[in-house]
Amino acid sequence: RKEVEQDPGPFNVPEGATVAFNCTYSNSASQSFFWYRQDCRKEPKLLMSVYSSGNEDGRFTAQLNRASQYISLLIRDSKLSDSATYLCARGSGGYNKLIFGAGTRLAVHP
Amino acid sequence: SQTIHQWPATLVQPVGSPLSLECTVEGTSNPNLYWYRQAAGRGLQLLFYSIGIDQISSEVPQNLSASRPQDRQFILSSKKLLLSDSGFYLCAWTTGGTGEKLFFGSGTQLSVL
Repeated sequence: RKEVEQDPGPFNVPEGATVAFNCTYSNSASQSFFWYRQDCRKEPKLLMSVYSSGNEDGRFTAQLNRASQYISLLIRDSKLSDSATYLCARGSGGYNKLIFGAGTRLAVHP
Repeated sequence: SQTIHQWPATLVQPVGSPLSLECTVEGTSNPNLYWYRQAAGRGLQLLFYSIGIDQISSEVPQNLSASRPQDRQFILSSKKLLLSDSGFYLCAWTTGGTGEKLFFGSGTQLSVL
């Protein structure tokens, strides 16, 4: 089993739709989790941290399910500008090393 | 505010040639520094990380090496590039705390031909 697994997609959704991505991880000791957004040929940019109690930032909601070892990202009211690849990451050991999934591609169409 | 600079943005090198990619961080001191590689259509693979000057840890055996000659400077090198070294190389930094967020430089697209 890969350390961090994501459905590669693509998820093709119309503007205004709600879309959710899941990301499973294999190390139950992980304490930190993140979602990053990556545009084509660009660096990943931090979208949001994922907290145990779940957290929301505007149209984006992240949740952590430790029992089932997955994190999720929900995007409401999708915009064309949300089209990108979404990477999940978990902390690995010390020194803030992050293990990334391969990403889920989202394409929002008019 | 903190910024991270990485160059060059694009590089085309022949097989067997040397490599040197540089990354510098501004606006912070004693950062943790990282080199990641992203092969086409794949996830980010951690190559090296450093918690201080001349303190380098390698995550995977490979044809590359890293050095940190100054607190905010991180260099990725190779003596002889292989075709398999092609990819998108990203430098990143974070503070030394636990669970801190990772921030990336703009990356270098390396093509080895």
